[in-house]
Amino acid sequence: EIVMTQSPDTLAVSPGERATLSCRASQRVSGNLAWYQQKPGQAPRLLIHGASTRANGVPARFSGSGSGTEFTLTISSLQSEDFAVYYCQHYNNWDGAFGQGTKVEIK
Amino acid sequence: EVHLVQSGAEVKKPGESLKISCKASGYRFASYWIGWVRQMPGKGLEWMGIIYPGDPDPRYSPSFQGQVTISVDKSISTAYLQWSSLQASDTAVYYCARSGLPSIAANFDYWGQGTLVTVSS
Repeated sequence: EIVMTQSPDTLAVSPGERATLSCRASQRVSGNLAWYQQKPGQAPRLLIHGASTRANGVPARFSGSGSGTEFTLTISSLQSEDFAVYYCQHYNNWDGAFGQGTKVEIK
Repeated sequence: EVHLVQSGAEVKKPGESLKISCKASGYRFASYWIGWVRQMPGKGLEWMGIIYPGDPDPRYSPSFQGQVTISVDKSISTAYLQWSSLQASDTAVYYCARSGLPSIAANFDYWGQGTLVTVSS
């Protein structure tokens, strides 16, 4: 079973600054990596799939990169609506483990 | 437009059984995997399992194998998650979500609104 580990657990960022979130897989996940955003009381929202492809309607300030076991979500200039919890997830036909989440909060 | 509409909140006692639902619309139900995700109070997302409507054999996370049952009724485009004997530790919000690609168990692109299950004596 693949285990996903995100870092940091909490990231304090000022509006307009850049945020970099990391996700590490315990085994290679061949690019089958997604990122989600979740705000309080809401269902998660897909941001990135295939490690680097933005989902429909996702602003260009969100970008994903990485391969193998190391992945990154970058938010180039944080807006007020971006303060939320972010999860990475690997997926295949047998499982789809999530990371524990990174909370992005206002500095 | 794709929609996943889940059944309403439930309050149950330990030992009781429960089946919650997720009705899909706006796409060809038989062509996309559907998964279930647990979120315990104040905690992160946990992948429980996934099912392809055209295949009666769901895939479960080892953490949930034997604890829940995932099924579908293709005739009414609905997926289900059920418990035979609830425990207090099953208290959580449960989300259904659709795989982002047809015929492949991929990321989840559409999500239900969540069903809160509370188990308390």
